[in-house]
Amino acid sequence: HTVVTQEPAFSVSPGGTVTLTCGLRSGSVSDDHYPSWYQQTPGQAPRTLIYSASVRSSGVPDRFSGSILGNKAALAITGAQTDDEAHYYCVLYMGSGNWVFGGGTKLTVL
Amino acid sequence: EVQLVESGGGLVEPGGSLRLSCIASGFIFDDYAMHWVRQVPGKGLEWVSGLSWQGYSSGYADSVKGRFSVSRDNDKNSLYLQMRSLRIEDTALYYCVKGRGYWGDPLDIWGRGTMVTVSS
Repeated sequence: HTVVTQEPAFSVSPGGTVTLTCGLRSGSVSDDHYPSWYQQTPGQAPRTLIYSASVRSSGVPDRFSGSILGNKAALAITGAQTDDEAHYYCVLYMGSGNWVFGGGTKLTVL
Repeated sequence: EVQLVESGGGLVEPGGSLRLSCIASGFIFDDYAMHWVRQVPGKGLEWVSGLSWQGYSSGYADSVKGRFSVSRDNDKNSLYLQMRSLRIEDTALYYCVKGRGYWGDPLDIWGRGTMVTVSS
């Protein structure tokens, strides 16, 4: 049973930088997991921010960036804005067509 | 513009069945894998099932394996999810999601979802 871990909550000041992470309870995250990040605001469907670890989706501001940091995937938000207050989810590819989402991080900007 | 419109949700009793549909537009449907992802209101996302571009490869979450079946009709630009032996814990908003490639590629564009409520 694969468990993808994310920080339940994070807080950042407007203009600040925050890094959210996405890990595996057992093992390390690599490019082979094609880590992706999604942003969801209340009442809205998720939208893709980053895919394949570091590729920004079309129309996503460059203050969002993705990477592999050590044994986890990471989403960095630099120059955070109040509009960035949302839930952020990562998902990992586990092979054979199967994907597993993390529990999500609730980001507060204040 | 890519659009995914889900339908077929509703209220069903435990043990019942339901078939969800997703109609796609704005892209070449049979060039892409498609997925279903669900979300219990107020909770996180759960990948449910995926189907390759031609429909030959599929995957299911352990929580629905053996009860749910995914299919597609490329002539109708449509994706389906047949849900059987429904349980209370299947209650969720079900999203149709376009993949970025044929199979095994990241999830990309999301529909707005259709709500399934399993209750007696």
